Amino acid sequence: AQSVAQPEDQVNVAEGNPLTVKCTYSVSGNPYLFWYVQYPNRGLQFLLKYITGDNLVKGSYGFEAEFNKSQTSFHLKKPSALVSDSALYFCAVRDPSGANNLFFGTGTRLTVIP
Amino acid sequence: EAGVAQSPRYKIIEKRQSVAFWCNPISGHATLYWYQQILGQGPKLLIQFQNNGVVDDSQLPKDRFSAERLKGVDSTLKIQPAKLEDSAVYLCASSLDPLLVSSTDTQYFGPGTRLTVL
Repeated sequence: AQSVAQPEDQVNVAEGNPLTVKCTYSVSGNPYLFWYVQYPNRGLQFLLKYITGDNLVKGSYGFEAEFNKSQTSFHLKKPSALVSDSALYFCAVRDPSGANNLFFGTGTRLTVIP
Repeated sequence: EAGVAQSPRYKIIEKRQSVAFWCNPISGHATLYWYQQILGQGPKLLIQFQNNGVVDDSQLPKDRFSAERLKGVDSTLKIQPAKLEDSAVYLCASSLDPLLVSSTDTQYFGPGTRLTVL
């Protein structure tokens, strides 16, 4: 069975500092991994995805994620955090059965402190 | 390009009442999904349509939840009768997926409907 773990419920970082939001996964077959962001009272917005190829994936708003097969991780990163990055971040893995539905982690709330 | 539209944005009902949510996906997207997001949790898939056919409804509580996508475009999700534990945000998403098998097309989400059951 596939699953995603986000070990930190809350991450605080100072504005201008680098940020990391952690995600580990468990899936049989090739992992297809996604990051979404959710702002208050809004739906999920797609940030980036890893399907195949380069382990470093670049996405929207300056975010990137590094796929690490040996550690089964897909951590989200940004070199310099903005206050506007404060939001709820979800990691997700695609169902490998072929139906393209997603299994989400429980989310990590990122707070960027001015 | 217009995004996924959902209505209403908020709904408050009493338990045992019925409620319906509407979703209009991005134009041309073949696949439509309904997710339930309970406070403090990640979204969980309720049902997935490919055009007007159901692909996966294994997590849909069929004794009280129903969904349809009759013309392969917009969709409605209904709860009848509602329970307290149905309080959640109901998210609709769509993806292009001209060929569903092995698809990795991105899912795009609507703003959601926040349901409160009293």
